[in-house]
Parts: sequence; C-alpha cells; structure tokens
Amino acid sequence: GAGVSQSPSNKVTEKGKDVELRCDPISGHTALYWYRQSLGQGLEFLIYFQGNSAPDKSGLPSDRFSAERTGGSVSTLTIQRTQQEDSAVYLCASSSDGFGQPQHFGDGTRLSIL
Amino acid sequence: DQQVKQNSPSLSVQEGRISILNCDYTNSMFDYFLWYKKYPAEGPTFLISISSIKDKNEDGRFTVFLNKSAKHLSLHIVPSQPGDSAVYFCAASGVSGAGSYQLTFGKGTKLSVIP
Repeated sequence: GAGVSQSPSNKVTEKGKDVELRCDPISGHTALYWYRQSLGQGLEFLIYFQGNSAPDKSGLPSDRFSAERTGGSVSTLTIQRTQQEDSAVYLCASSSDGFGQPQHFGDGTRLSIL
Repeated sequence: DQQVKQNSPSLSVQEGRISILNCDYTNSMFDYFLWYKKYPAEGPTFLISISSIKDKNEDGRFTVFLNKSAKHLSLHIVPSQPGDSAVYFCAASGVSGAGSYQLTFGKGTKLSVIP
C-alpha cells in the first residue's frame, strides 16, 4: 500500500523479554518518527530520523529503548528487558521533508507487557 | 509540564450543528499547528494545519483559527456529521533543542456527533 506500514499490529510478551517493532515509511519520505501513546495520554515523541543525519533521540525514555533506520527506509524500534510501563501503542510516522510537512502515521503496534 | 493542552476530554454535538474543539499551548517557539483525527485501532490522520503567520485556514467543513497572543487555537467543524465522531488531537511543531522538527501533541478530545 501507499501508507506507513507497521508490524506487528499487536504484541504480547512477558516482562523482561526484548521486543522489536517495525516501521515501513511512505516511499520517498526522508523523515521518520516514532511516538508512543499510553492509555489516556497524548502521543509522546520518542525518536526522529532525517535522511543520513544523526537521529534525534531526545524522547527515548531510557537506555532500554533504541532504534535504527537501515538504508534510509525501514526502521526498527527495540525495547530491551521490557517493563509493564512499556505497555502502549507505538506509532510510526513519516513526512516528506521533516521540516514541518504533515506527518503520516501508521496504525501502530499495540504492545502489552504481562 | 504539558506544552499543548486540550482541556476538554470529550464533546457531544448534534448532527448539523457546529463542533468547536479547543487547544492551548505554552511554548511561544511553536510555529506550525496541526489537527489530527483518530479512529479506534487506527493511526492519527492529518486533518488541517495552520502556520503561525496566519490566523485562519479553511478546508471544506473544517476551519482552524489561531490566536497567537492568547496561545490558543480552535478547530471548527460545520456542519458536524456522525462520521466526524473520533478523537481529535491538536499538535504543535517547532524546532527542538536537538534541532529536529518534532510534533508535540495534546491528550485529545473525543468528539461524538449525535444523529
């Protein structure tokens, strides 16, 4: 499809396990963002990739969280040693230039930590 | 400290009437404002935006108003339709301390349009 694709759509895992979430942005979009939405909260910025520049990691809540973007396209968000407070919907977005153009979101990955 | 606030968690409006969703922000460095609409189990969908150099932007039934001096923006939907029932997020954009153009979101307002 032409939109942002995220997988898996749902993930249930035990506390302490590592998880990987995948985002496939819109083709040609140079900017890619990760957000998370906890229950009853707004979207919280996590990390931003723009082209070949160093990513803006200022929103990552702890060093258990990391992300990479290979070849300027697909991105993977990794959470190590998951905790129950990591349970949230993780949303990926892309935009054409990362400088104010509207971001287009995927449907998210709902992560549940038991 | 919330930089973007949507003080009404929910709003109910009769079909055909006007829906007004409000948003306040605190960071005067924000220069671009957006509204997103979100249905359950889907990602947010971009609706309408406004630059800080304007005070109004209109797109069909949707109009966004910006009052920079009050640090307030609003989304007007007229006439409201049942299909407009969704959660509406206000977002503000500006260059972060790390140099990226982030969106800062409010917590959302759930709009219910009653047939």
